[in-house]
Amino acid sequence: EVQLVESGGDLVQPGGSLRLACAASGFTFSNYWVTWVRQAPGKGLEWVANMNQDGSVTNYMDSVKGRFTISRDNAKNSLYLQMNSLRADDTAVYYCARAIYDFGEGGDWGQGTLVTVSS
Amino acid sequence: QTVVTQEPSLTVSPGGTVTLTCSSSTGAVTSASHPNWFQQKPGQAPWALIYSTTNKYSWTPARFSGHLLGGKAALTLSGVQPEDEAEYYCLLHYFPTWVFGGGTNLTVL
Repeated sequence: EVQLVESGGDLVQPGGSLRLACAASGFTFSNYWVTWVRQAPGKGLEWVANMNQDGSVTNYMDSVKGRFTISRDNAKNSLYLQMNSLRADDTAVYYCARAIYDFGEGGDWGQGTLVTVSS
Repeated sequence: QTVVTQEPSLTVSPGGTVTLTCSSSTGAVTSASHPNWFQQKPGQAPWALIYSTTNKYSWTPARFSGHLLGGKAALTLSGVQPEDEAEYYCLLHYFPTWVFGGGTNLTVL
């Protein structure tokens, strides 16, 4: 059974940092693109970043470029999102997702982890 | 900044047919945008339905179909079931990134 389990969400002050993790199981993690998507409370989905199979290609939405870093450890079947200089508008549930097919950006999803940026 | 627009809300009767659309501020949506569609119910993670315009996942019910319609991406539900009441999101590819639409709240009434 495919599983994606996010962790690391917390309450953090503006300007602070946080590292999210996504533990993958049930499939060969190193074969797939992976993605982070977020959803602010009561709002819609927002694509954040993705990464290719070996980590050599990363893409980010404009508002997180230079602040967030996506990475992966294929030996540990894990995806990460390092978030720096956090702002109130980064408050959201963060989901990790697996692209099962080419141009299928989120075939499998985790249940999400909540990041709250507030003083 | 690219904006992807969906109908904020739609209502359909059980057993009916409804089409949700997804448009781009940059112009016509084509297959090169590889439209994806997702369903999300309250308190749950999104659930993938369609990828790359028309392709279904193994779990996608047959009543869901994706296509292009008049310069937009479209998701048609035929023979709507009560359990189809949910928020639906499209996702378009603007190389190398992706942008979600604002979502359509579908009510089955």
